[in-house]
Amino acid sequence: NAGVTQTPKFQVLKTGQSMTLQCAQDMNHEYMSWYRQDPGMGLRLIHYSVGAGITDQGEVPNGYNVSRSTTEDFPLRLLSAAPSQTSVYFCASSEGRLAGGYEQYFGPGTRLTVT
Amino acid sequence: AQKVTQAQTEISVVEKEDVTLDCVYETRDTTYYLFWYKQPPSGELVFLIRRNSFDEQNEISGRYSWNFQKSTSSFNFTITASQVVDSAVYFCALGGWQAGTALIFGKGTTLSVSS
Repeated sequence: NAGVTQTPKFQVLKTGQSMTLQCAQDMNHEYMSWYRQDPGMGLRLIHYSVGAGITDQGEVPNGYNVSRSTTEDFPLRLLSAAPSQTSVYFCASSEGRLAGGYEQYFGPGTRLTVT
Repeated sequence: AQKVTQAQTEISVVEKEDVTLDCVYETRDTTYYLFWYKQPPSGELVFLIRRNSFDEQNEISGRYSWNFQKSTSSFNFTITASQVVDSAVYFCALGGWQAGTALIFGKGTTLSVSS
């Protein structure tokens, strides 16, 4: 199993550009999430999905879109990049709801810089 | 509201010293889960441990040990005989029904171990 994979590993964007961060998992997990990590802030939830076709907002959703057409993939779209979106982005998946105590598996992260 | 506080922003120790990382949490859930993750300089998030709220037994795994105390809402992590490879950012996180599919992360403690 590859686990959770993310591409690209690094990306530099200009303000106003759009792009998609890719996330895929091969563990047949229903739950997938996107977090952003900023210095001194820990990780904060952007969007999450409880299954194919079902997504919802997390703590910091503004400026991001998600969709979940398959169980395996959960892409994160930046509609019009802003310097405030400079961050490290982590995708995660879990077998069930975290309320049930399932471990969350994280991808290696994407380091995004917006100039 | 759910909250995780890691009051120690940075800790520096010399190899072979013992070090304790503090984690205090707040939740109204009666069933919840606590996690510790390690983020080495390479950037990935490494799962260390998960405990549920009904299991207050301390746990030891090699040089790592965890002290869970519901009475003080704390889940502290101790590294015995620290090594340079322990240098990393350590995150405490909380999962439960209130948080749904998200983990609530503390802001992390940066541990630096020098030789």
